[in-house]
Amino acid sequence: DIQMTQSPSSLSASVGDRVTITCRASQSISSYLNWYQQKPGKAPNLLIYAASSLQSGVPSRFSGTGSGTDFTLTISSLQPEDFATYYCQQSYSSAPITFGQGTRLEIK
Amino acid sequence: EVQLVESGGDLVQPGGSLRLSCAASGITFSSSGMNWVRQAPGQGLEWVSFISASGRTIYNADSVKGRFTISRDNAKKSLYLQMDSLRVEDTAVYYCARQGENNFDYWGQGTLVTVSS
Repeated sequence: DIQMTQSPSSLSASVGDRVTITCRASQSISSYLNWYQQKPGKAPNLLIYAASSLQSGVPSRFSGTGSGTDFTLTISSLQPEDFATYYCQQSYSSAPITFGQGTRLEIK
Repeated sequence: EVQLVESGGDLVQPGGSLRLSCAASGITFSSSGMNWVRQAPGQGLEWVSFISASGRTIYNADSVKGRFTISRDNAKKSLYLQMDSLRVEDTAVYYCARQGENNFDYWGQGTLVTVSS
C-alpha cells in the first residue's frame, strides 16, 4: 500500500498569512495527488486534483505543486473560511486509495 | 445540482449487520464509478470500497474484505453498502463519493454507524 504522510499535523496561522502544507508519498505517484478541505461536521470538498489543477469554484488563493513523491498545498492569503482540516489523497493505486492523516489549520 | 444522500446509519451490536444506501441526483449515475469512505470519530478519512459504473469492477479495503459488500442499482440511481459482522472499530461516519477523473469530486453528507453493545 502507498502511505501518505502530511506535515505538519496541525498549524496555527492568522488571517492574511501564507500557509504551506506538505504531503509525501511512500513511492512515486506521478501527479495522482488530490487535496481536500473538510470543515467540522461536513463532508470533504475537493480543492486540487492532479497535483496542481484547481477544482471548479475553488478560490485561486489555493494552489498545489509537486510530482513523484513530494507535494505541497499553498494558501496564499488565509481567509477566515479557510480554517479547516486538509487531506491529501493518492489515486495512483486503484486500491487501496489512501489519504494522509490530515492537517488541522487553526486560527492563531 | 448534484446531491448524494446517504441513509441507513444506526446503532448496532457487534456482530450485527446494516445496509447503507446512497441516493444520487444531478449526475449521470449510470456512468459514474462510486466509492464509500468512512471517518471514525475524531479521525481521518479511510477509503472503504469502490464499484465501477457497470458494477463489474469492485475493490475493497483489506479492513472490510469478506464483511462488507458494495453494490448499485443504476435504474434507481442508488449505491449500497451491506455491512456484516460489524466490529466496534467500524464505528464511523460513512460517506458516498463519486469517482471523478482520479479523484472524488462529489460527496454526500454522511451517515453515522455506531457499533456498540
